[in-house]
Amino acid sequence: EAEVAQSPRYKITEKSQAVAFWCDPISGRATLYWYRQILGQGPELLVRFQDESVVDDSQLPKDRFSAERLKGVDSTLKIQPAELGDSAMYLCATADSGANVLTFGAGSRLTVL
Amino acid sequence: QQQVKQSPQSLIVQKGGISIINCAYENTAFDYFPWYQQFPGKGPALLIAIRPDVSEKKEGRFTISFNKSAKQFSLHIMDSQPGDSATYFCAVSYTGTYKYIFGTGTRLKVLA
Repeated sequence: EAEVAQSPRYKITEKSQAVAFWCDPISGRATLYWYRQILGQGPELLVRFQDESVVDDSQLPKDRFSAERLKGVDSTLKIQPAELGDSAMYLCATADSGANVLTFGAGSRLTVL
Repeated sequence: QQQVKQSPQSLIVQKGGISIINCAYENTAFDYFPWYQQFPGKGPALLIAIRPDVSEKKEGRFTISFNKSAKQFSLHIMDSQPGDSATYFCAVSYTGTYKYIFGTGTRLKVLA
């Protein structure tokens, strides 16, 4: 079964450093999401893409976070500079057209020291 | 604002027992109510979902009960097994908008 691939699985960094996460979604899926999941909480939307366009980034802290999806396929989420409060799991997901089903990747766990 | 309230935060059930997790929502415009299951180190995975035109949906040992007037829905796990030990999230969505709002999660532990 096709999966949503994410890397790295784990990242430890010091505050003020830059970090980047990569997501390769299920082939052909136009809608791609980045969620942040703080330990003990539910996923919270950071950004949603439709093909290569950002359609919802209202919850993205744009002073330090950026996301892109060149060519409407894989996507990168960047944090610069990282802060202690950014420690979380960063989840990439795609949505099946019309089916409302989100398929998540395994996530990238970030620890900021 | 908290649009989805999930309870309990954690739950311990004996093997063979019934696990019940509840969610309440505020906006009556939501029309899709999924439950996701998440094992440690994994992303959430869709478990079961319901639309407001039915009051109950059953898939194997998992049942969603939906109360439109009370704006509540719940997940029932019958004959709970140790392999069901995971974190469960309810979510709400508007069809066609691709917007999802997740609950805060319930950590279920089923004792052998």
